[in-house]
Amino acid sequence: DGGITQSPKYLFRKEGQNVTLSCEQNLNHDAMYWYRQDPGQGLRLIYYSQIVNDFQKGDIAEGYSVSREKKESFPLTVTSAQKNPTAFYLCASAVALGPYEQYFGPGTRLTVT
Amino acid sequence: RKEVEQDPGPFNVPEGATVAFNCTYSNSASQSFFWYRQDCRKEPKLLMSVYSSGNEDGRFTAQLNRASQYISLLIRDSKLSDSATYLCVVNTDSGTYKYIFGTGTRLKVLA
Repeated sequence: DGGITQSPKYLFRKEGQNVTLSCEQNLNHDAMYWYRQDPGQGLRLIYYSQIVNDFQKGDIAEGYSVSREKKESFPLTVTSAQKNPTAFYLCASAVALGPYEQYFGPGTRLTVT
Repeated sequence: RKEVEQDPGPFNVPEGATVAFNCTYSNSASQSFFWYRQDCRKEPKLLMSVYSSGNEDGRFTAQLNRASQYISLLIRDSKLSDSATYLCVVNTDSGTYKYIFGTGTRLKVLA
């Protein structure tokens, strides 16, 4: 079964702690993306990667970091520098960077108190 | 002006009704267009891509009007299970390809 997995589904952290969200895909897609979704807002792009060992900042990259050491994996770290980290985080992939359909993982709901 | 705009709704329609949503976009360089469905607290799922010639998938029909810069989604014979938020997504090449998401239109199909 091809798809995108994210773990965990729910994550609770205290302020000041870094936390890493997992994203894995077995679709053989080159491009991967991280978004956050807040109530009443459209998805906002955090980081994206079009190839292994390369990634670019999106619109709201401050306080986040990523790595792309394997084609299948694109983990996101939410650092203590992120001012409002509580959100629904969605990972997506596409066959390549370009005008292609994106497919989403089930998301991780992060709550920081 | 937002790059992609949708009426947030909710659109409350009875089962069996036909309902249509529009989505306007501001960048004339936009390359590709999509409708996604998102259920409450779940991820967006691709419903259909929108082609210049329009496309149909069962009860769903999508149209693109480049001159007026909008896309539409028509749902015929609405089912209770169609209740969800419908996201309009536009892919634009502005130096690099970027997806712009609308905030969604909420549909409630009533028994």
